[in-house]
Amino acid sequence: DAGVTQSPTHLIKTRGQQVTLRCSPKSGHDTVSWYQQALGQGPQFIFQYYEEEERQRGNFPDRFSGHQFPNYSSELNVNALLLGDSALYLCASSLDWRQGHGYTFGSGTRLTVV
Amino acid sequence: KNQVEQSPQSLIILEGKNCTLQCNYTVSPFSNLRWYKQDTGRGPVSLTIMTFSENTKSNGRYTATLDADTKQSSLHITASQLSDSASYICVVSAGPYSNSGYALNFGKGTSLLVTP
Repeated sequence: DAGVTQSPTHLIKTRGQQVTLRCSPKSGHDTVSWYQQALGQGPQFIFQYYEEEERQRGNFPDRFSGHQFPNYSSELNVNALLLGDSALYLCASSLDWRQGHGYTFGSGTRLTVV
Repeated sequence: KNQVEQSPQSLIILEGKNCTLQCNYTVSPFSNLRWYKQDTGRGPVSLTIMTFSENTKSNGRYTATLDADTKQSSLHITASQLSDSASYICVVSAGPYSNSGYALNFGKGTSLLVTP
């Protein structure tokens, strides 16, 4: 049974570029949430997708956008990258955004902006 | 504002010793509290989850407690091993909110180092 899969595992981008991160949820899960974790900090909530719609959003600028596909997989897009966007980006999946249990995290994508 | 505070920020213990990590929260409405273990550069892995009515839950050498009245939780690690070296994150779920389900509130974590 596959858990949450994220790709790529590592990525280096230049300031001003755009990046797309991908997430496949755990089998049976239909809700995907994205988090940004700076070094030494706890994860910060970016947004959550369910039924291909953004259901919740954290305090992140519009440069951060996302998408969920019919197979429940999701993408996180970041435009006009800044040095401060360097972080570990985590994807978490769960069953039904209206429930509060069963979050499973992926191993993350380490993004470095130079 | 929903907040989750963890202490200590970091901890060094000898292999085989026990330790206790603390989590205080101001989250409303409270749904559940989770403890996660996060190895460096990896995603968090769930250790325990407790709802309002549960005051203790164990997972092997890990035992979590919850006092919903004082809004405090602890994670006790027994007979520590080198592989326990990681960051331990307390996560409190708030909700349900009518149009947005649940919100996870993360602590900054306690960094634990177990030395030989």
